[in-house]
Amino acid sequence: DTGVSQDPRHKITKRGQNVTFRCDPISEHNRLYWYRQTLGQGPEFLTYFQNEAQLEKSRLLSDRFSAERPKGSFSTLEIQRTEQGDSAMYLCASSLVEGSSPLHFGNGTRLTVT
Amino acid sequence: DAKTTQPPSMDCAEGRAANLPCNHSTISGNEYVYWYRQIHSQGPQYIIHGLKNNETNEMASLIITEDRKSSTLILPHATLRDTAVYYCIVKRMDSNYQLIWGAGTKLIIKP
Repeated sequence: DTGVSQDPRHKITKRGQNVTFRCDPISEHNRLYWYRQTLGQGPEFLTYFQNEAQLEKSRLLSDRFSAERPKGSFSTLEIQRTEQGDSAMYLCASSLVEGSSPLHFGNGTRLTVT
Repeated sequence: DAKTTQPPSMDCAEGRAANLPCNHSTISGNEYVYWYRQIHSQGPQYIIHGLKNNETNEMASLIITEDRKSSTLILPHATLRDTAVYYCIVKRMDSNYQLIWGAGTKLIIKP
């Protein structure tokens, strides 16, 4: 399978714990994006990378959220001191750099904070 | 980026063509129309996109009106597996990083 891969698919954590999600993009894609989706809503943009550079991070929901893409390949999204309101689906997508190139999404990580 | 308007839900009989409308009356000249769908518990799946010409691929056809203010996604022979939420999104060519999603159309294919 050469699509976008996300791990884990599901994560249950207690409030206050830290969690980290991983995304492996399509190999030839330079851009990688993180989105969040809550029930009944469309995905909400969080941040994106071009290669290893994080080009937009103002939409990260708070300073508890951070993302890295250290070698321009896989990426991680970390949420520190989780809150119940962080419960959502976290989606990763990748694309080529060309302006009209479509985003291709993984199947997401479902986070439940108890 | 321009906003889009879609009906909240639609039904279609299995085997028939499903025609999903989208209104994007404020679209500007450098904005593309993209269609995605999302099946329950999965990530969004890219379907098709276009600028001004009609487009067709193995999944669907995209018909964009001449004034570009609306478009229609056509699934030519709908199957039960096409039941999903379909999103129409308008995006500037130079704003690749951010797609603004509406609520989409819940398409139900009935046997």
